[in-house]
Amino acid sequence: EIVLTQSPGTLSLSPGERATLSCRASQSVRSSKLAWYQQKPGQAPRLLLYAASNRATDIPDRFSGSGSATDFTLTISRLEPEDFALYFCQHYGSSPVSFGQGTKLEIK
Amino acid sequence: QVQLVESGGAGVPPGGSLRLSCAASGFTFSNFGMHWVRQAPGRGLEWVAVVGHGGRPAYYAGSVEGRFTVSRDNSKSTLYLQMGSLRAEDTAVYHCAKEISPYAGDWYFDLWGQGTLVTVSS
Repeated sequence: EIVLTQSPGTLSLSPGERATLSCRASQSVRSSKLAWYQQKPGQAPRLLLYAASNRATDIPDRFSGSGSATDFTLTISRLEPEDFALYFCQHYGSSPVSFGQGTKLEIK
Repeated sequence: QVQLVESGGAGVPPGGSLRLSCAASGFTFSNFGMHWVRQAPGRGLEWVAVVGHGGRPAYYAGSVEGRFTVSRDNSKSTLYLQMGSLRAEDTAVYHCAKEISPYAGDWYFDLWGQGTLVTVSS
């Protein structure tokens, strides 16, 4: 089973700043099959990116993803107030799929 | 409206059983594989189970294999999770989630429900 480790655990930034979130896999993720989700308190997770760098439907272009093999990054270019939330990565290149433990993006 | 709505969560004693439901609307339910993913309080997400669009195959996380059964009724657009021999570590919010692509797609999810809380405690 692939273990995903996200860092940092908490990221404190101000609106307008750039956020960089990391997701590291214990083994290579086949075909860069990695997704990113956003979750706000009391809400369902929302798909942001898939295949490491492809934005899901209706996701603003300030969200971007990069990486391959074992190292992946989610970048939010200029933080909006609604971007402060919990972010998870998930690999789906092999079974079982698994999720990272999450990065909490909080307002500084 | 495209949505998934879970129900059936409750407090149960260790060793107990519970059945969760997930009602789907706004899309052709029978075309998509469906999953259960859980989230323990203050913890990350854990994949639990999947059932294919036609009701088979079904696969499970090792932590629930032999205790949980996933099924679906496409005539009712509803997904189920029968949970048995419950343990304290099964305490979590249980979300149902839809695969993004129809039929045999990759296991990532473009639609989630808000979840239903299962608490296992004596």
